[in-house]
Amino acid sequence: SQQGEEDPQALSIQEGENATMNCSYKTSINNLQWYRQNSGRGLVHLILIRSNEREKHSGRLRVTLDTSKKSSSLLITASRAADTASYFCATRDFGNEKLTFGTGTRLTIIP
Amino acid sequence: DTAVSQTPKYLVTQMGNDKSIKCEQNLGHDTMYWYKQDSKKFLKIMFSYNNKELIINETVPNRFSPKSPDKAHLNLHINSLELGDSAVYFCASSQVRQGVGELFFGEGSRLTVL
Repeated sequence: SQQGEEDPQALSIQEGENATMNCSYKTSINNLQWYRQNSGRGLVHLILIRSNEREKHSGRLRVTLDTSKKSSSLLITASRAADTASYFCATRDFGNEKLTFGTGTRLTIIP
Repeated sequence: DTAVSQTPKYLVTQMGNDKSIKCEQNLGHDTMYWYKQDSKKFLKIMFSYNNKELIINETVPNRFSPKSPDKAHLNLHINSLELGDSAVYFCASSQVRQGVGELFFGEGSRLTVL
């Protein structure tokens, strides 16, 4: 079963705007990761946030984690056409080798 | 150099046939995975090997048999293919330390069963 539910399922914004995607999960996690998947390609790791961290930045990406609400958000600032892709959150539980993926958000950036 | 490479990229075959997908990683990682992505883009783990040892085996029909001849290779053999096996199969590898490690994915193998 899917660990994470992502919201929204699909998002279309104008180039230059910010995009926010949310992920909710069910268990106690060791860390949460975000991945990007371009159409017809494999997934690419974007950023990892540990369970004891609340916020992390990488370039135009900002990830937050709220373990009390079992939720995370990914913010992409100043979006570009090349950001068009599907974005997945993935969680790893403590003592578990398995990385479980969410349902994904399909992001479309309109030039 | 491609970090995780899988072949073939496309497979079209008839129901009942047997097929294999090969995966190789040159990252020196200890752990390799097979994931299945269905038509709705749901990504579900199937198997994981760590240093040639099977450590994750999800509820996958035993028609699917992974084989890891060494830690750089993880192949997937599928017997008696069914229509529902049509999907994109992704190989991935990682080096996990204390539960922390990102996955590196191959480009996927799209299997179509007719």
